[in-house]
Amino acid sequence: GEDVEQSLFLSVREGDSSVINCTYTDSSSTYLYWYKQEPGAGLQLLTYIFSNMDMKQDQRLTVLLNKKDKHLSLRIADTQTGDSAIYFCAETLSSNTGKLIFGQGTTLQVKP
Amino acid sequence: GAVVSQHPSRVICKSGTSVKIECRSLDFQATTMFWYRQFPKQSLMLMATSNEGSKATYEQGVEKDKFLINHASLTLSTLTVTSAHPEDSSFYICSANAIGGYTEAFFGQGTRLTVV
Repeated sequence: GEDVEQSLFLSVREGDSSVINCTYTDSSSTYLYWYKQEPGAGLQLLTYIFSNMDMKQDQRLTVLLNKKDKHLSLRIADTQTGDSAIYFCAETLSSNTGKLIFGQGTTLQVKP
Repeated sequence: GAVVSQHPSRVICKSGTSVKIECRSLDFQATTMFWYRQFPKQSLMLMATSNEGSKATYEQGVEKDKFLINHASLTLSTLTVTSAHPEDSSFYICSANAIGGYTEAFFGQGTRLTVV
C-alpha cells in the first residue's frame, strides 16, 4: 500500500540550512508536496514537485526528488526562527490526484 | 491564492451531542473535498472524500454513520460528528481542489473538537 515516511525531529541553529527527508513507496505518485503546519493551525502549502522533475527551487526552498530511490527532500536555506513548525511531505497518486497521503511530519526546531 | 474557510475553529461539546463542521471554498468551486483527522503529534489521516451531489467515499475503518458528510453545493461540505464521545476529540481539517485543477489542495484552518 501507500506509505510515506519522515524523520520525526530536526534541530538546527538560526542561519544554518535545514534538510528534511521523506521516502515514499508508491511509484505511481504524480505530485509530491511539502506542507508547513504551525501549532493549532491548518496546513500551508510550501511547494510541490511533479514526479518527472528532479529539482525545484523557490527562494529559500529547494526540493530534490530521486525517483529511483523514492526519496524527496526539502532544503531550507538560512533557516529562521519563524521556520519552526511541523513539515509534512505528501503524495498524490495517479489514480486520484486529489487524495493526499501524508508522512508523519518532521518537527523543525530552530535555535537562536 | 484560493481560500478554504473552515468553521468553527474550535468547539467543545458534551458527550452524546452532535457537532457540525463546515468547509467552504471561498473563491473557487470544488466538486471534491476531503476530510482529514489529525491526532496530537501525528500525521493527517484521510477520513473521507466528499463528492458534490453524491455520497461520500469513506476510508476503511471510518464509520459513515458516525461521521456524516454532506456536499450540497460546489462550495460547501459539512462533516457532522454524531453522538460524539471523548475519543472523537481531535483536529479535523478539510481540503478542496479547484475544478480542473489538481496540483494544489487548499486546506482549511482546521477545527479543534473537544468532547467532554
